[in-house]
Amino acid sequence: AQSVAQPEDQVNVAEGNPLTVKCTYSVSGNPYLFWYVQYPNRGLQFLLKYITGDNLVKGSYGFEAEFNKSQTSFHLKKPSALVSDSALYFCAVRALNQAGTALIFGKGTTLSVSS
Amino acid sequence: GAVVSQHPSWVICKSGTSVKIECRSLDFQATTMFWYRQFPKQSLMLMATSNEGSKATYEQGVEKDKFLINHASLTLSTLTVTSAHPEDSSFYICSATSLRGGSYNEQFFGPGTRLTVL
Repeated sequence: AQSVAQPEDQVNVAEGNPLTVKCTYSVSGNPYLFWYVQYPNRGLQFLLKYITGDNLVKGSYGFEAEFNKSQTSFHLKKPSALVSDSALYFCAVRALNQAGTALIFGKGTTLSVSS
Repeated sequence: GAVVSQHPSWVICKSGTSVKIECRSLDFQATTMFWYRQFPKQSLMLMATSNEGSKATYEQGVEKDKFLINHASLTLSTLTVTSAHPEDSSFYICSATSLRGGSYNEQFFGPGTRLTVL
């Protein structure tokens, strides 16, 4: 079965410190992986994606993610957290369904950055 | 580019009434649109996939007669919640894929519609 796991419901980090939001996946074939961020009562904003190529992907707002095929992980990272990074983060994988392709989302991780 | 809008952004209705939510791709043609439902502090649950000019494909457990989806053009899909009840209260988000070439079609998300059924 195709799935995405975000093992942490919440990640707390102090402003200026590095942050990591974890994601592991299970999918047949080559994975297409994504990170989105959601602010309260808003839709999803795209951060970055991995399709092919370099395992380290750089995205919006200083975020990056590392694709690790052997560990089936795609952790989101940022070297120095900002209070404004506090939001709900979703990892997603493109999967095949009866309609073609769709995104399967993890349950989300709430990032809280304290000043 | 690749902007998706939803209307309305929020709606409050009485139990038993029907509510229509629009999803539009503003600057690109979308062959496929997706409808998601999100409960507070939970993940997005795919409800259905809508291809232009054909019937929507619903995920298991989603009532097609309850959630009517129409995708009449390459820029518009609508979700109608029929005979809404309080348990239908949720945040509904649509996304759309572009007609750009290649094997990968990125999804672009709308801002969501907050539905509250009294």
